[in-house]
Parts: sequence; C-alpha cells; structure tokens
Amino acid sequence: DTAVSQTPKYLVTQMGNDKSIKCEQNLGHDTMYWYKQDSKKFLKIMFSYNNKELIINETVPNRFSPKSPDKAHLNLHINSLELGDSAVYFCASSQEGRADSEAFFGQGTRLTVV
Amino acid sequence: QKEVEQDPGPLSVPEGAIVSLNCTYSNSAFQYFMWYRQYSRKGPELLMYTYSSGNKEDGRFTAQVDKSSKYISLFIRDSQPSDSATYLCAMRLSGNTGKLIFGQGTTLQVKP
Repeated sequence: DTAVSQTPKYLVTQMGNDKSIKCEQNLGHDTMYWYKQDSKKFLKIMFSYNNKELIINETVPNRFSPKSPDKAHLNLHINSLELGDSAVYFCASSQEGRADSEAFFGQGTRLTVV
Repeated sequence: QKEVEQDPGPLSVPEGAIVSLNCTYSNSAFQYFMWYRQYSRKGPELLMYTYSSGNKEDGRFTAQVDKSSKYISLFIRDSQPSDSATYLCAMRLSGNTGKLIFGQGTTLQVKP
C-alpha cells in the first residue's frame, strides 16, 4: 500500500506548455512538500504545506504554483515550462510537531522539457 | 558554498568491504541528522536518523555525528551488492520537521 504516490511518473512536454503533477499521501500526515532533484542528484526543497497552508516557499519562480485541496493532497502546477525545469520532482510528507518526524518521499516524477 | 557538502563519488568497493560516507556542514544550528538511501529511479528512503551528537547503530549501519567538527558519517559494514545506491545526508533545524537540507549524495557501487 503506497504511502506517498505521485502521478505521472514520467512527463515529457514541450517548452511553453503548462503541466501538473499530483501527489497523495495516506499516512495521515499534516505536512507535505515538493522537492526538486537536478541532474546531479542535488535535492532541494521548493514548497511546504501544513494543513493546506503554505509554510515554505523557497525562491521558486512564480511559474510554479502548488495547491493543497486537503492535507492528504498536494499538487504542483507549472506554467510556461522551460528547458531548465527538467528534473525529478519529489513529493514528501511528514507529521509536524514530532521531534523525530520522518519525511516519506514518493517515487518521483521525471519531467523532461524538450 | 553549499550548506551541506558531500563528495558525489562514485565510490566502488568489493563486497564485504567497510564503507565510509561523510558530509560536512556549515550551519551549527542543525540539530537533526539523517541518511537517506536512494535506489536508481526511486525516491529517497530514510536509513538512519540521529539527534545532536553521538553514534547510532542499526544492523550493519552506524551513523556518527560530531557537531563540534560539523561532520557526520555513515559506516556500512560487510557491504552487499544490494547496498549499491546513492546515499544522501540530510539535516534540519530544531522544530522545523520538513525543511531538510541535503548533501549532493554519494553514489556507491558494491561489486560482487
């Protein structure tokens, strides 16, 4: 039973298009995140939502807009895709307020912009 | 300069070897230290979790944190081909459970 699931797993699209990635977690966590992993495997946080409220926004271009309809879902919409957006995007979740809270990651969405 | 530095490798060892993976960091306020393992085309999964300084052992894995030197290590004993993966160190501040700062990851290959 998948804990954090993302769709789609692979996404190939042309420059200038708009695309969305969906994420769902069934762990009952109250906090969800989007991370970006570049071609050198460097993983960096983009956004964090706690109970549908935006908590972290790490200087990400305005073309990226996260949306959390409820605490189990966090979607990422990207407008006007650019070549540099090609990366693997990971969704993660954790339970805020627990000192030993662990972040669980999804399998990733490999985005290729051509 | 990145907040967390990790040699990307690749590191290739024979089966049964002891592997040592390391990270250094610059922010002395980091309190929680983690090692994630990431297999190819998969998401990172938590391997070891340590609070503040000290050692933690779990089977063949030992994590060490030296806050005075801003240096963390992961040791793998009796390495197996199934340990071949990318190992990412991560750390965070107290009270901020989700904002993990990752190292670049070290790619490890264990040859049979």
